[in-house]
Amino acid sequence: AQRVTQPEKLLSVFKGAPVELKCNYSYSGSPELFWYVQYSRQRLQLLLRHISRESIKGFTADLNKGETSFHLKKPFAQEEDSAMYYCALQTSGSRLTFGEGTQLTVNP
Amino acid sequence: SAVISQKPSRDICQRGTSLTIQCQVDSQVTMMFWYRQQPGQSLTLIATANQGSEATYESGFVIDKFPISRPNLTFSTLTVSNMSPEDSSIYLCSVQRTGELFFGEGSRLTVL
Repeated sequence: AQRVTQPEKLLSVFKGAPVELKCNYSYSGSPELFWYVQYSRQRLQLLLRHISRESIKGFTADLNKGETSFHLKKPFAQEEDSAMYYCALQTSGSRLTFGEGTQLTVNP
Repeated sequence: SAVISQKPSRDICQRGTSLTIQCQVDSQVTMMFWYRQQPGQSLTLIATANQGSEATYESGFVIDKFPISRPNLTFSTLTVSNMSPEDSSIYLCSVQRTGELFFGEGSRLTVL
């Protein structure tokens, strides 16, 4: 069965510091992975997907099949990055399995 | 993108009653998804709703408890039946477009 693990429920960094949100997955098929973000009082929205290999708001994530990881990184965190971040694995039929989420707080 | 409206946004319900949540999308979509987010937990898929066929439920969810309707390509409802306090959750509707899932704002249910 598929599973997504985000080991940190809470992560706190200072503005300008690097940030890495960890995500590990288990899936027997070919994984499609996403990061979703939920800012305070806003709806859940897509941040980035691994197949796009793009940088959104300074965030990047690389799929490492050997380590079954899809960590989200940003070299210089900003206060507006404070949000709840969910890693998600897409399986058949466009169904998503979500990790438990990491609440990121960027302190001034 | 997709604009998704859910009603109600929140409600307080009595044990044993049922509540129907509505989801309206701004344009036609093939698949609509219903997720649940229990307090302090992640999102869990309840079922996938396709127009013209019965919803497909995930393990642990049954039609008697969560009946779903999908009368057309822009609308769906989820009913939470015979509610108990354990059903207190945020229920989210989502649709896929161009490989991306879009979410409604959620319906926060509190069962007393």
